[in-house]
Amino acid sequence: QLQLQESGPGLVKPSETLSLTCTVSGGSISSSSYYWGWIRQPPGKGLEWIGSIYYSGSTYYNPSLKSRVTISVDTSKNQFSLKLSSVTAADTAVYYCARVITIFGVDFDYWGQGTLVTVSS
Amino acid sequence: DIQMTQSPSSLSASVGDRVTITCRASQSISSYLNWYQQKPGKAPKLLIYAASSLQSGVPSRFSGSGSGTDFTLTISSLQPEDFATYYCQQSYSTPTVTFGQGTRLEIK
Repeated sequence: QLQLQESGPGLVKPSETLSLTCTVSGGSISSSSYYWGWIRQPPGKGLEWIGSIYYSGSTYYNPSLKSRVTISVDTSKNQFSLKLSSVTAADTAVYYCARVITIFGVDFDYWGQGTLVTVSS
Repeated sequence: DIQMTQSPSSLSASVGDRVTITCRASQSISSYLNWYQQKPGKAPKLLIYAASSLQSGVPSRFSGSGSGTDFTLTISSLQPEDFATYYCQQSYSTPTVTFGQGTRLEIK
């Protein structure tokens, strides 16, 4: 059974960089069939796609966040990571990692449990 | 950007009711439309992909329809575990995707 688990600091100061890691177990991140993605959800609000990455390192970012986002992959550790720079209170959210199927469009079929990141001094 | 608008934003219904949630795209997205269910404090769960295909393990009381700009999610007979928030998501503009604002389904 595939499992994804987010990890990282729950509190980040304004203007600093948010860093999260997603560890994949029960399957290989190097599978050619899938991408891996990050989605976030501010408290009480809807879902926002942040970006996705292929095991080869190809990345795709939400244009509204592109200037501040970096997603990377470490196939040796079966992990992928998110960095979001120059954070503000508006970046406070639950951050989810997910597996992405692209057979027809883009489907997020397995999700991590999510981790709340609060931006505050 | 493709905007996704769900209606209603919230809905009250009773166990056993038939419920329909609508999602409208700002431009044609063919059938590149998914539906997710999210319960409080939990991650979203994929219910329907490609507008009408049921994800493995999802009860058959859930169904999706539509193409182009107008889509519906129907729950044929509401069960207690179905009270949740539902989101549509388009992937026509792959790799960029956008979600609807959500529809909260509450117990009447």
